[in-house]
Amino acid sequence: ETGVTQSPTHLIKTRGQQVTLRCSSQSGHNTVSWYQQALGQGPQFIFQYYREEENGRGNFPPRFSGLQFPNYSSELNVNALELDDSALYLCASSFRGQGTEAFFGQGTRLTVV
Amino acid sequence: SQKIEQNSEALNIQEGKTATLTCNYTNYSPAYLQWYRQDPGRGPVFLLLIRENEKEKRKERLKVTFDTTLKQSLFHITASQPADSATYLCALVADTGRRALTFGSGTRLQVQP
Repeated sequence: ETGVTQSPTHLIKTRGQQVTLRCSSQSGHNTVSWYQQALGQGPQFIFQYYREEENGRGNFPPRFSGLQFPNYSSELNVNALELDDSALYLCASSFRGQGTEAFFGQGTRLTVV
Repeated sequence: SQKIEQNSEALNIQEGKTATLTCNYTNYSPAYLQWYRQDPGRGPVFLLLIRENEKEKRKERLKVTFDTTLKQSLFHITASQPADSATYLCALVADTGRRALTFGSGTRLQVQP
């Protein structure tokens, strides 16, 4: 186990609703990244937070937003949910300055109906 | 356009044989390349990292090669076991500042007993 925990594990939402996903980073890690993984695809980078600031963003619209807290835990918020937002959302933590390998949580499976 | 390609067809091999998975990329200059294992419904698990100035890396039964001229990485599992059955993802790190991972779509490996 990586020590990265995500909640909830599964979630069903209706189109147009808003959702908040949570991630608790591995102890000692100061960087958290969020990825979206559609079925049969590799994870796609959404954004990264380092010391509570957004530190890079992938090709996702502004309705995807995030937060990192002083204890390095993190949230991913998605507004105005669309059917295509149905995916596995993965949180990955790492420690800047110690290499680039990422430690992933088990993911949150979001289904939008 | 930038692309990372992994063989989308599943690779089926007999137990004890060597599995070789391929990752090709175009229009990237990656500083690092990583390989992850992903089991169904779980987050990816880091396996190996190789830097642009390294040709080969080994860890137990795993070996990774990195050819920046061919823009290709090969991932080998020797003496494969049914427990090695999973999807294997390659990921590039192009921006060492941001360190976001760009993933291929993965190759599913099935090791038959």
